[in-house]
Amino acid sequence: EAGVVQSPRYKIIEKKQPVAFWCNPISGHNTLYWYLQNLGQGPELLIRYENEEAVDDSQLPKDRFSAERLKGVDSTLKIQPAELGDSAVYLCASSFDGAGPDEQYFGPGTRLTVT
Amino acid sequence: AQKITQTQPGMFVQEKEAVTLDCTYDTSDPSYGLFWYKQPSSGEMIFLIYQGSYDQQNATEGRYSLNFQKARKSANLVISASQLGDSAMYFCAMRGSGAGSYQLTFGKGTKLSVIP
Repeated sequence: EAGVVQSPRYKIIEKKQPVAFWCNPISGHNTLYWYLQNLGQGPELLIRYENEEAVDDSQLPKDRFSAERLKGVDSTLKIQPAELGDSAVYLCASSFDGAGPDEQYFGPGTRLTVT
Repeated sequence: AQKITQTQPGMFVQEKEAVTLDCTYDTSDPSYGLFWYKQPSSGEMIFLIYQGSYDQQNATEGRYSLNFQKARKSANLVISASQLGDSAMYFCAMRGSGAGSYQLTFGKGTKLSVIP
């Protein structure tokens, strides 16, 4: 079974430029998450989707960040314009919300460096 | 609000020995779940083990076991017979039962180094 796929793995951009990250969740997983992981910290949730609906985006900085999940499968996270403080790893995760602990499966992340 | 505390920034263990990674938590939710994830240098978070707050027995998954002490609000991860491939960051996380319960709250992690 293929895991969560993210691209690109690494991205270096200058401040004020736009950037986009792509995530393909595990097949059949209806819930998708975007997390931000700063150096030396644990991941922090940015947004959660159930199918194509964003059900929790309270921690997404909406002035510069946007996300979409068309057709309830792949998702894109965008930053425009990027700031130096956005340098971090952006992790995508997915889960199937049924019986059980509904553990989240993570992708390898996109490491963003803003110069 | 939920909070996870991992007090060990780094740990060393000899290959084939057991090691315990500490995790304490704070929550007002009556029902919650506790998770441990492994993050190797490749960056991917790998799910290891889960403990529900009402589970009577401590969770075990192969060489991983979770020492759950509810009264102390601790959920320590025990790795038996350490292997070189166990060298990684380990994160403790929890999920509550209230609003936003799907959100995982992570600790800052513990870096485990296995010495040959």
